Amino acid sequence: SQTIHQWPATLVQPVGSPLSLECTVEGTSNPNLYWYRQAAGRGLQLLFYSVGIGQISSEVPQNLSASRPQDRQFILSSKKLLLSDSGFYLCACQTGTDYGYTFGSGTRLTVV
Amino acid sequence: QKEVEQNSGPLSVPEGAIASLNCTYSDRGSQSFFWYRQYSGKSPELIMSIYSNGDKEDGRFTAQLNKASQYVSLLIRDSQPSDSATYLCAVISGGSYIPTFGRGTSLIVHP
Repeated sequence: SQTIHQWPATLVQPVGSPLSLECTVEGTSNPNLYWYRQAAGRGLQLLFYSVGIGQISSEVPQNLSASRPQDRQFILSSKKLLLSDSGFYLCACQTGTDYGYTFGSGTRLTVV
Repeated sequence: QKEVEQNSGPLSVPEGAIASLNCTYSDRGSQSFFWYRQYSGKSPELIMSIYSNGDKEDGRFTAQLNKASQYVSLLIRDSQPSDSATYLCAVISGGSYIPTFGRGTSLIVHP
């Protein structure tokens, strides 16, 4: 089964600073990869997904971007963080035909 | 707009009881159904998937699917305090592979 590595676990960043969150997958190839955000007390919000290298689909227009430079690497970035970017960021991997997700351990981002 | 609805709870049950968590969905073309468990401060974990009408059992967990009534349930038998968590329902429509998540039901199992 696949394993997702996500770091850092927690991050405190000032408004206007850049962001880079990385997610890497082990134990599978050609996975579908996803970035979600979960705000406090809220549901999961899909931000980006990718079905292959260099292929990125955006669900929410905002100041975030994503890239997939390698098959098992997915990166979430921002040039200038906003207070509203605070939340719990989750990377998810989907393989096979059953379409269930494996989630990474998440990054808790606080923008101050 | 595809919707997945869950009662936010909290649902409080005594230890040893059966916890029943429910989820309804709006898209009749939905074909894949999932339950995730999320402990406070942690990421969600897939605990059950179901694709056909009826029941699917895995240990103390039973998923029930009724496509005609558009609901899916999760039963937890012999509930333990360690089952206290938020349970997320997720549904995938036919022709898609991206799930729509409900907001989750908070379950509290008290000793």
